[in-house]
Amino acid sequence: DAGVTQSPTHLIKTRGQHVTLRCSPISGHKSVSWYQQVLGQGPQFIFQYYEKEERGRGNFPDRFSARQFPNYSSELNVNALLLGDSALYLCASSSKYSHQPQHFGDGTRLSIL
Amino acid sequence: GQQLNQSPQSMFIQEGEDVSMNCTSSSIFNTWLWYKQDPGEGPVLLIALYKAGELTSNGRLTAQFGITRKDSFLNISASIPSDVGIYFCAGQRETSGSRLTFGEGTQLTVNP
Repeated sequence: DAGVTQSPTHLIKTRGQHVTLRCSPISGHKSVSWYQQVLGQGPQFIFQYYEKEERGRGNFPDRFSARQFPNYSSELNVNALLLGDSALYLCASSSKYSHQPQHFGDGTRLSIL
Repeated sequence: GQQLNQSPQSMFIQEGEDVSMNCTSSSIFNTWLWYKQDPGEGPVLLIALYKAGELTSNGRLTAQFGITRKDSFLNISASIPSDVGIYFCAGQRETSGSRLTFGEGTQLTVNP
């Protein structure tokens, strides 16, 4: 079975632009979470979506938004990009809302010029 | 954002040696997980722990869920070159859904 897939793998944007990142969870997984990983640090939680509803939000500005589709895939949107948004954006899926291990995709490397 | 205190930050060992790393928190977690991340890839789940005091093995890896629920330990026995990578601990609370709080990672280097 395919694991968590993310697209694109790499992206270069300039300040002020917006970006959409995509994630397909493991088949049968209904929970998708997004994380930001800055170089040299552990991942930081951004959002969790479960059954198409937002179930958790980390300490990120309103420029960050996400949604989950009926097939449980998800998009992360970031508006008005800043240099500090340069990071690896990771998507993770799990079968239930909580108390289940999360499995990660290989991420989207976003570079802001 | 909040992160767990993970140590050591880096380790340089010889092939065949055993490795220990740990993670501590000022607050309780209901689940502890250990991940390994290779360059250019996402974290890969190694071990998940669900009960205080639990000791779980996965091949040469052994992890323990601390009795206070505020810490966890990972041991790697007889290290090999492919163990090289960054190891992350992560904690999860029942009241926070799937949200994971990560440590800052332990960079492991194994010299053949």
